Amino acid sequence: GAVVSQHPSWVICKSGTSVKIECRSLDFQATTMFWYRQFPKQSLMLMATSNEGSKATYEQGVEKDKFLINHASLTLSTLTVTSAHPEDSSFYICSAGDREGWELFFGEGSRLTVL
Amino acid sequence: TQLLEQSPQFLSIQEGENLTVYCNSSSVFSSLQWYRQEPGEGPVLLVTVVTGGEVKKLKRLTFQFGDARKDSSLHITAAQPGDTGLYLCAGAAWSSASKIIFGSGTRLSIRP
Repeated sequence: GAVVSQHPSWVICKSGTSVKIECRSLDFQATTMFWYRQFPKQSLMLMATSNEGSKATYEQGVEKDKFLINHASLTLSTLTVTSAHPEDSSFYICSAGDREGWELFFGEGSRLTVL
Repeated sequence: TQLLEQSPQFLSIQEGENLTVYCNSSSVFSSLQWYRQEPGEGPVLLVTVVTGGEVKKLKRLTFQFGDARKDSSLHITAAQPGDTGLYLCAGAAWSSASKIIFGSGTRLSIRP
């Protein structure tokens, strides 16, 4: 199956700094990628839909100025957590759909810890 | 607000027992998927059901999609410790099959 890779796998940062997480589709082109957030022992919550070449579509309650999404190419989407605070600590997961959009491939996830 | 409610939330059973996890919604989905997730990793797709009433089997796992495409169930026969994990159902929207909403999750623990 197709491969989606995230980087970094884990990151620790100080409060107030910004952190960028990358999501790459390694062997296919993804016009659409999705970003999820997962708190410990909870399910995945969809944050936003990242569209190549256009603005991301954010789910209700997700601050677009806080979580900046850029989808500059068909193989890369980035999520930047700006001015991170301890409550932003979470597991962030991206996914990408294949051309037909029926199958979704997930990245390995990125664990963010804000001190 | 979760559109997909799973039950039970937690389940701890002895090895060899059978179990069923339910996924219910008031919304209709174009397809429904089941995932299994290990701690610190992304979810791994187990199955996709597309047709109302569809039943799919994957070794000891049996998945069923409700006739009305609003609910699904996962039945595990003779559970093994390796089945331990977080099980997630996920529904796909009609407008975009790859935009999926995850259920609330069921954490399964199989005791040896």
